[in-house]
Amino acid sequence: GAVVSQHPSRVICKSGTSVKIECRSLDFQATTMFWYRQFPKQSLMLMATSNEGSKATYEQGVEKDKFLINHASLTLSTLTVTSAHPEDSSFYICSALGLTQQETQYFGPGTRLLVL
Amino acid sequence: AQSVTQPDIHITVSEGASLELRCNYSYGATPYLFWYVQSPGQGLQLLLKYFSGDTLVQGIKGFEAEFKRSQSSFNLRKPSVHWSDAAEYFCAVGPSKGNTGKLIFGQGTTLQVKP
Repeated sequence: GAVVSQHPSRVICKSGTSVKIECRSLDFQATTMFWYRQFPKQSLMLMATSNEGSKATYEQGVEKDKFLINHASLTLSTLTVTSAHPEDSSFYICSALGLTQQETQYFGPGTRLLVL
Repeated sequence: AQSVTQPDIHITVSEGASLELRCNYSYGATPYLFWYVQSPGQGLQLLLKYFSGDTLVQGIKGFEAEFKRSQSSFNLRKPSVHWSDAAEYFCAVGPSKGNTGKLIFGQGTTLQVKP
């Protein structure tokens, strides 16, 4: 139980284009999902907290117009990197908090984004 | 300020040897404590967690951790390491009640296992 998927697992795009990453909780409903960014050999950096049916809460320094988050249902949150630039290249990981396991985050496998 | 410290950035152990990964935290109240493992290019897998009760918690893959309030520590242990345990290990803390579920992560410890 508590499986979280991400799609795509890796994506390469041209500079200036937008990329959407999906995060799904497969066997549980998630009231809250989190989006992280991870640089090589570093820890996870929380970008934003996504709550179903409401606006995401962004961490300080994260541009909300650049990283659009939508949490349309209790099983799906999306992160759209708009007008991507090479510096946006990174490993993006989502996690989900279940309705019945609200203390524990379950993580997706991550999405590797490379912007050329 | 709330923080998590993993003092060891990189640890190398021989296969079959015992392992202890250190985690110290700074938190205003009793936190929820977690250990996650990350293989290269993958997401994080929950190894174990501590919320309350018995301070020695058992996790998956033969791992255990002990919460020591007096030392603000939550060290991860395994009696005999396998080559497949080579990975990145993250300690994390979260607020215990009425929270948004946000976690504070340590910087991670890279475990290398020698044959």
